Amino acid sequence: ETGVTQTPRHLVMGMTNKKSLKCEQHLGHNAMYWYKQSAKKPLELMFVYNFKEQTENNSVPSRFSPECPNSSHLFLHLHTLQPEDSALYLCASSQDEGGAYEQYFGPGTRLTVT
Amino acid sequence: GQNIDQPTEMTATEGAIVQINCTYQTSGFNGLFWYQQHAGEAPTFLSYNVLDGLEEKGRFSSFLSRSKGYSYLLLKELQMKDSASYLCAVKDSNYQLIWGAGTKLIIKP
Repeated sequence: ETGVTQTPRHLVMGMTNKKSLKCEQHLGHNAMYWYKQSAKKPLELMFVYNFKEQTENNSVPSRFSPECPNSSHLFLHLHTLQPEDSALYLCASSQDEGGAYEQYFGPGTRLTVT
Repeated sequence: GQNIDQPTEMTATEGAIVQINCTYQTSGFNGLFWYQQHAGEAPTFLSYNVLDGLEEKGRFSSFLSRSKGYSYLLLKELQMKDSASYLCAVKDSNYQLIWGAGTKLIIKP
């Protein structure tokens, strides 16, 4: 148990659907992250929130929209996705964005876009 | 650009020792992390190096040479449960984590 939960664990959606991924951390951390993991490729950082403020948006298409209502919850809203967006989406948290703090990951949401 | 290189796949025998290498080229350096990821599971933190030298933690050790842009993860007394992907990641000058693609380690009996 890493203290970071994600729902749903699996999601299949059509290109015209709208869905949301949810992440919750029970570790009292101040930074939360969304990553995309595709087979045999490095983890791609999508968004970073530190103390509920977005500090990074790594050129992510607007069809992905993050929301961080408080330091324990993070959402990723999805709309009009493309098949190439099919991947594992991982949420992580750390004590702070800077420094030597390790990141704790959730189990991920396996997303398939049809 | 920033780059982390590690072998795609390695095979080792149960009970043996294996060394997984990682070389990096980044804008600045604020520490190197190793994570373990079993298939279908979340990555979990293994080790952190910011100064040159060897850090030992049970069966796992991690080494860093900042002048060479090089690190390795050493796994001793391999067990079947060590079959996993091992991810190397470096924090750059902006404290952003730059990730390698991971090394898939296969342990054979």
